[in-house]
Amino acid sequence: EVQLVQSGAEVKKPGTTVKVSCKVSGSSFTDYYIHWVKQAPGKGLEWMGLLSPLDGEAIYAEKFQGRVTIAADTPTDTVYMELRSLRSEDTAVYFCAKGVIDWYFDLWGRGTVVTVSS
Amino acid sequence: EIVMTQSPATLSVSPGERATLSCRASQSVSSNLAWYQQKPGQAPRLLIFGASTRATGIAARFSGSGSGTEFTLTITSLQSEDFAVYYCQQYNNWPPYTFGQGTKLEIK
Repeated sequence: EVQLVQSGAEVKKPGTTVKVSCKVSGSSFTDYYIHWVKQAPGKGLEWMGLLSPLDGEAIYAEKFQGRVTIAADTPTDTVYMELRSLRSEDTAVYFCAKGVIDWYFDLWGRGTVVTVSS
Repeated sequence: EIVMTQSPATLSVSPGERATLSCRASQSVSSNLAWYQQKPGQAPRLLIFGASTRATGIAARFSGSGSGTEFTLTITSLQSEDFAVYYCQQYNNWPPYTFGQGTKLEIK
């Protein structure tokens, strides 16, 4: 059974960087697209980007381009999402999700709460 | 970017009754539409993909329909565990993948 296990909650100051991990267990992350989705408090779901299994490349939403990096550590089957220059609007729950090909998301991690506060 | 619009924002229905949720795309997404359910403090769960195919383990009271720009999620005989927020998502034209703003299904 494939599971996505995310890292724990983070509290960061404005202007700093957060790195959230998503470990794929029960399979190799290279078998799937792995996506990152943001959910601000009381708000909806917002797609941030994905890591493609085909070539290991990341594709980002324009809104986050330049401030986010999605990458993987192959030996540990862990995918990371790094968000830089944090501001209060980045306070949110960040989910990783497994994609079925490049279509819908059939499995989600439990989410990582990131709080940005001075 | 394809904009997904869900209606209503909140839907109040009594247990045992039927709920009908709508999702509209700003341009055709063919049948490349998914529905997710999210309960407080939990991750979203896939309900429907391909506009009308139930995901593994999803109860038959959940059904999806539509294609192009208009989609519907119907939940018959509402159970207590069905009260949650529901999101539609298009995956026809990306990046970006886009979600609707959600419909909160609450107990009447």
